[in-house]
Amino acid sequence: DAGVTQSPTHLIKTRGQHVTLRCSPISGHKSVSWYQQVLGQGPQFIFQYYEKEERGRGNFPDRFSARQFPNYSSELNVNALLLGDSALYLCASSYRDTSYEQYFGPGTRLTVT
Amino acid sequence: EDQVTQSPEALRLQEGESSSLNCSYTVSGLRGLFWYRQDPGKGPEFLFTLYSAGEEKEKERLKATLTKKESFLHITAPKPEDSATYLCAVQGGSQGNLIFGKGTKLSVKP
Repeated sequence: DAGVTQSPTHLIKTRGQHVTLRCSPISGHKSVSWYQQVLGQGPQFIFQYYEKEERGRGNFPDRFSARQFPNYSSELNVNALLLGDSALYLCASSYRDTSYEQYFGPGTRLTVT
Repeated sequence: EDQVTQSPEALRLQEGESSSLNCSYTVSGLRGLFWYRQDPGKGPEFLFTLYSAGEEKEKERLKATLTKKESFLHITAPKPEDSATYLCAVQGGSQGNLIFGKGTKLSVKP
């Protein structure tokens, strides 16, 4: 069975640009969550979507947005990139929105120069 | 405020030297405590979920336990391939998101 997939694997952007990251959940999973992980820290929650509705939002600025599509895949968008946005962006899927294990994808490494 | 603290930050063991990693948590209405393993540059790999105090789960050389305030990940006779960062996370209240600790970086030398 395919796990969570993310694209692209790596990305280099310039300050002020916009970026879109993509995630496909495990088949049958209806919830997708996004996390940001900077070096040496644990993942930090950005968004959760369940059945195409936003179910939670972490403490991130409005430059960050996301959506979930009818096939349960998801996009994370970040506008006006800052150097501090450089991180590993992780997508996790689960069967439902709470009380279920979240399975992570390999991540997208974003570097902002 | 929900919080997860892991200790130690780093742990060096000789192959075969058993030890434990600690995860202390503060959360409103624990729904689940999760352990993950993360290799450098990769996404976290799911290991265990614990739901209530007293629960224990095992997988190969790893055993996770849970009390009302903390969880332990016991590593018995570790091998070099167990070297990784081990992350602990909690899910609480009505929220679906995971709150992670900073992780414990484990190095096992042959």
